Amino acid sequence: GAGVSQSPRYKVAKRGQDVALRCDPISGHVSLFWYQQALGQGPEFLTYFQNEAQLDKSGLPSDRFFAERPEGSVSTLKIQRTQQEDSAVYLCASSTRQGQNYGYTFGSGTRLTVV
Amino acid sequence: GDSVTQMEGPVTLSEEAFLTINCTYTATGYPSLFWYVQYPGEGLQLLLKATKADDKGSNKGFEATYRKETTSFHLEKGSVQVSDSAVYFCALKDTGNQFYFGTGTSLTVIP
Repeated sequence: GAGVSQSPRYKVAKRGQDVALRCDPISGHVSLFWYQQALGQGPEFLTYFQNEAQLDKSGLPSDRFFAERPEGSVSTLKIQRTQQEDSAVYLCASSTRQGQNYGYTFGSGTRLTVV
Repeated sequence: GDSVTQMEGPVTLSEEAFLTINCTYTATGYPSLFWYVQYPGEGLQLLLKATKADDKGSNKGFEATYRKETTSFHLEKGSVQVSDSAVYFCALKDTGNQFYFGTGTSLTVIP
């Protein structure tokens, strides 16, 4: 597609429920990032893939968070046993190449609300 | 570590007013600097960028100059429009994999 597509747009989960958030990057983009944006805050880095390889997961806040990109295109961010503090907008971004001179295309995000 | 500090909002301006949103940064290397804009219900969109000192990024009437001596990248526009109402994020990217974002500045332009 023309842009980065994320689904669902909105997700309400009961505390303790597992959720899976999907990201379809722009075709051909090798780099894929996940960010977490809490209400009123800037996005914070969660994890980075280059093709199917997860090269950096230093931003994942706990072992309840898990991301995968098995075929180097679509990525899924999974959160197990959701907690209220997980409520945020989860943004996915992709780029043609990793490098500091390139901007990244962000999706519209998935707004997760844990009740 | 790397970080970005930007002017707190919200900012409310009348149409055609001059806009400045301040942004300063801390980085260990020689980062690239960015401004992203987020319209309601949408994702982040790249507004402009600068990759080295003294570079000026510009787009849609917005400008920002990479000032290494003051570690700043202030966003300016000479005459804002109602359609500029959004949240603006300053960000840097160093040699690592991730962006570091400021907390965002909400701008509302009233007719």
